[in-house]
Amino acid sequence: AQSVTQLDSHVSVSEGTPVLLRCNYSSSYSPSLFWYVQHPNKGLQLLLKYTSAATLVKGINGFEAEFKKSETSFHLTKPSAHMSDAAEYFCVVRTYSGNTPLVFGKGTRLSVIA
Amino acid sequence: DTEVTQTPKHLVMGMTNKKSLKCEQHMGHRAMYWYKQKAKKPPELMFVYSYEKLSINESVPSRFSPECPNSSLLNLHLHALQPEDSALYLCASSQDPTSLSYNEQFFGPGTRLTVL
Repeated sequence: AQSVTQLDSHVSVSEGTPVLLRCNYSSSYSPSLFWYVQHPNKGLQLLLKYTSAATLVKGINGFEAEFKKSETSFHLTKPSAHMSDAAEYFCVVRTYSGNTPLVFGKGTRLSVIA
Repeated sequence: DTEVTQTPKHLVMGMTNKKSLKCEQHMGHRAMYWYKQKAKKPPELMFVYSYEKLSINESVPSRFSPECPNSSLLNLHLHALQPEDSALYLCASSQDPTSLSYNEQFFGPGTRLTVL
């Protein structure tokens, strides 16, 4: 069965410093992985997706993630945090069996301090 | 048009009311989804429609009744809800429910439901 674990429930960074949000996955198959962002009282927006074409995936708003099969990780990074990055971030894996098409991590809340 | 729209944005209802949530997409997607999201939690899947047929019901109480009138529209009919049903209800769509490719979901902004 597929699953994801987001290793931090809350990350706090200063504006202009790097962001690292950690995600480990478990999958019996070659996984499809996603990062979504949710700003307060908003829907989810897709930041980026891994589809096996390239291990380093670039997304919107300067975010990128690297798929590391040996470490079963898909960490999200950004070189320089902006105040507008403060939000909830979900690491998600697509499943190929069972009923649930997507399995969500529990989320990481990113705070950006001025 | 690459967005999913949801109406209303906010809804307050009593436990004896009947109301409906509406979701619409014009991306030609053939799968549509309802999720429930409580505060500080990830979305929980409720229903999946694939080619306008209900394919997944995640043991949702019958006071929630989904409907897919056509490939662009998804409704969620609400009746006799409980206060614990208060949450953000998200609609999503994806291209091809039978595909094994990455097939990401596109989410609407949600309806904030409060049950009094």
